[in-house]
Amino acid sequence: GENVEQHPSTLSVQEGDSAVIKCTYSDSASNYFPWYKQELGKGPQLIIDIRSNVGEKKDQRIAVTLNKTAKHFSLHITETQPEDSAVYFCAATQNSGGSNYKLTFGKGTLLTVNP
Amino acid sequence: KAGVTQTPRYLIKTRGQQVTLSCSPISGHRSVSWYQQTPGQGLQFLFEYFSETQRNKGNFPGRFSGRQFSNSRSEMNVSTLELGDSALYLCASSLRTLNTEAFFGQGTRLTVV
Repeated sequence: GENVEQHPSTLSVQEGDSAVIKCTYSDSASNYFPWYKQELGKGPQLIIDIRSNVGEKKDQRIAVTLNKTAKHFSLHITETQPEDSAVYFCAATQNSGGSNYKLTFGKGTLLTVNP
Repeated sequence: KAGVTQTPRYLIKTRGQQVTLSCSPISGHRSVSWYQQTPGQGLQFLFEYFSETQRNKGNFPGRFSGRQFSNSRSEMNVSTLELGDSALYLCASSLRTLNTEAFFGQGTRLTVV
């Protein structure tokens, strides 16, 4: 089955700096890679995703890149703000609309943005 | 549009008891997936239901089961609770078509004592 490794497990940055979280996956059939943000006491919130036919996607201060050959994808947050502090999870799945729709998650990255 | 609703938010149960958790997906979503979140194991897939049928199952013992109703609402049941079942149980709903996203509820925090 799929295995997703996520690094680093903790990341502390100063407000305004950039943050980068990296994930690798093992199953070359995986084609959908979402990122979730989880704040204390809440469920994971989808913040951005990327599909295997795209190399990069950007949404305001958040961007995700995908390297299918190396089987890794990364989350980039620019101009970080204290409200970006949370646990971030990457995930991978083979999303074909068929019977294999389940997400395999990384272990999470605790991001702390210091004012 | 209302999000994914999970009830109850918190539960305390005793070892050996059973528990039923409920999930109402986003209106129009027919797929409901369940995940267990613990500090040690992270987020782990339990099972997925679509059109009242279990489509996928993770590596959990048979004490964990679920079902889905015709209105897409889902329940999961854990029988003979063990201390290790203490976790945040999350459900996610999706349209389950090609290129679809999964949206999570706030979870049910289960504590087994």
